[in-house]
Amino acid sequence: DVKVTQSSRYLVKRTGEKVFLECVQDMDHENMFWYRQDPGLGLRLIYFSYDVKMKEKGDIPEGYSVSREKKERFSLILESASTNQTSMYLCASSPPGGRGHEQYFGPGTRLTVT
Amino acid sequence: GQNIDQPTEMTATEGAIVQINCTYQTSGFNGLFWYQQHAGEAPTFLSYNVLDGLEEKGRFSSFLSRSKGYSYLLLKELQMKDSASYLCAVNPGTYKYIFGTGTRLKVLA
Repeated sequence: DVKVTQSSRYLVKRTGEKVFLECVQDMDHENMFWYRQDPGLGLRLIYFSYDVKMKEKGDIPEGYSVSREKKERFSLILESASTNQTSMYLCASSPPGGRGHEQYFGPGTRLTVT
Repeated sequence: GQNIDQPTEMTATEGAIVQINCTYQTSGFNGLFWYQQHAGEAPTFLSYNVLDGLEEKGRFSSFLSRSKGYSYLLLKELQMKDSASYLCAVNPGTYKYIFGTGTRLKVLA
């Protein structure tokens, strides 16, 4: 049974804090993604990675960075959290090639920045 | 630009059939996906279309017309547990996936 896990379901942080969101998949997938999901805006891609140590910016990378030191783990970092980063964060993975393959999503982390 | 449109909300009755439409305009096309997302949960994969026509999977079917940039998800014999958001997504031929904002379906008893 395929599995994508995220480190926290709910997280509350203060403005200016550095925040780490962790994602782990056990499917040996090359591709991993970080999205944020906001009402009325759908899923927006923040960053993705197609191999270890490889990363590419998505549509809304500002204020975020990522790290992929191991194939199974993809971390999202908020360097200095701001209230407009309050959102649901979803991690996903997909098999190699990135084309024509469905994505497998983690349960999500609901982050609140106060 | 790249765009996916789907209705915001739909309501249907238990046991009925509902069709959720999706239109897209993307720079390329390497398949269209439908996901189901229950409130507070992760999206789960429902169907994939890359060629024109209808794909059937039990109570769910998905149709694609590439020339029209159009797809629909058909849900038959609706059940209360089908109340969820349905997301349309297109892979334009790169690593990225473009998502619509989702259609929230309410199934009434």
